[in-house]
Amino acid sequence: QVQLQESGPGLVKPSQTLSLTCTVSGGPITRGSYYWTWIRQPAGKGLEWIGRIYASGGTNYNPSLKSRVTISRDTSKNQFSLKLTSETAADTAVYYCARGNTLVNAHYFDSWGQGILVTVSS
Amino acid sequence: QSVLTQPPSVSGAPGQRVTISCSGSSSNIGNNAVNWYQQLPGEAPKLLIYYDDLLPSGISARFSGSKSGTSASLAIRDLLSEDEADYYCSAWDDSLNGVLFGGGTKLTVL
Repeated sequence: QVQLQESGPGLVKPSQTLSLTCTVSGGPITRGSYYWTWIRQPAGKGLEWIGRIYASGGTNYNPSLKSRVTISRDTSKNQFSLKLTSETAADTAVYYCARGNTLVNAHYFDSWGQGILVTVSS
Repeated sequence: QSVLTQPPSVSGAPGQRVTISCSGSSSNIGNNAVNWYQQLPGEAPKLLIYYDDLLPSGISARFSGSKSGTSASLAIRDLLSEDEADYYCSAWDDSLNGVLFGGGTKLTVL
């Protein structure tokens, strides 16, 4: 059973860069059938897909965040990471990492981390 | 950013059946499968339905999904108080080249 755990600072100053890490246990992130995703949720609001990194290392991002987002991985630690630059209060949210899976034209997230609250404030 | 439209709230009494709709377009629901997630208060979302109508292991058969054209629905029968949660639909969007979520529907069990 795969498990995911987010880690990182809970408070980021405006204009600075948010850096979060997701540690995966129960299987290698290099396994070809899965991809690894970041999703966020502002308080009281819905879910927003940020982007993903494939087992191969390729990435794709939400166009609305693409200019500020980088998702990378450290296969030796079985971790993947999120960097979001130029933080503003609008980036305050719970950030989730999740495992993505694909079946034909279904792209779904079958395992989630517990989430980490990141507040952008001076 | 949600272009998958869900009703903000639905409600039902214990034992009843409720449905939650999710409306999209040809670039998402019309051309790709729909998935549903349940988010209990204070918890991370959990996969409830994938590929329109498939249940992951461990999910109760009281939950079912369907899709027609550019709309999809989640049905919950024999409603329990523990079903009180937020429900989200999602689908791949070919224009976005990414995953879209609906705005979420809060289910209240009366």
